[in-house]
Amino acid sequence: DAGVTQSPTHLIKTRGQQVTLRCSPKSGHDTVSWYQQALGQGPQFIFQYYEEEERQRGNFPDRFSGHQFPNYSSELNVNALLLGDSALYLCATNSYNEQFFGPGTRLTVL
Amino acid sequence: AQSVTQLDSQVPVFEEAPVELRCNYSSSVSVYLFWYVQYPNQGLQLLLKYLSGSTLVKGINGFEAEFNKSQTSFHLRKPSVHISDTAEYFCAVSDPKRGSTLGRLYFGRGTQLTVWP
Repeated sequence: DAGVTQSPTHLIKTRGQQVTLRCSPKSGHDTVSWYQQALGQGPQFIFQYYEEEERQRGNFPDRFSGHQFPNYSSELNVNALLLGDSALYLCATNSYNEQFFGPGTRLTVL
Repeated sequence: AQSVTQLDSQVPVFEEAPVELRCNYSSSVSVYLFWYVQYPNQGLQLLLKYLSGSTLVKGINGFEAEFNKSQTSFHLRKPSVHISDTAEYFCAVSDPKRGSTLGRLYFGRGTQLTVWP
């Protein structure tokens, strides 16, 4: 059984560009959460998707948007990239009372 | 909103010594509590969780944590550490929602545990 997978593993973009990150959930998991982890910080919640709808959202601007597909996989889109968006982006999928994390996508904005 | 405080940003210890990593959270209402470990360039791995019941929770790799509601604390302990325990440790809290899967996690800033030979 594959765990949570994310792609790509690393990404380099320039300011103003747009980026799409992808997440495939652990088998049987239907809820996907996205977190941003800046260097030396704890993960910060971006949003959570369930049944293809955004269920909860953290304190992130509208430049951050997402989507969940019928197979429960998910995308995180970030528009108009800023230098401060450089971080590790983590996807997590739920069993009922536990979140399983993927290995993350390291985004560098130059 | 919840907030989580991890009181020590770095904890150096010698191999086979005991260790305690401290965590306090803000809310006194019902909460779920978690400890995760992160090795370099990897995602987060769950060490243990408290949902309800016994206040002493045992996890993987010999770790345990004690929930103290009156002090809003959830400190992580291990009686004898190994070199391989060197990693970043994160405490997290979530608000339980009846009939719903786990919602957002609020994380602390992390504690870097370094085990020296």
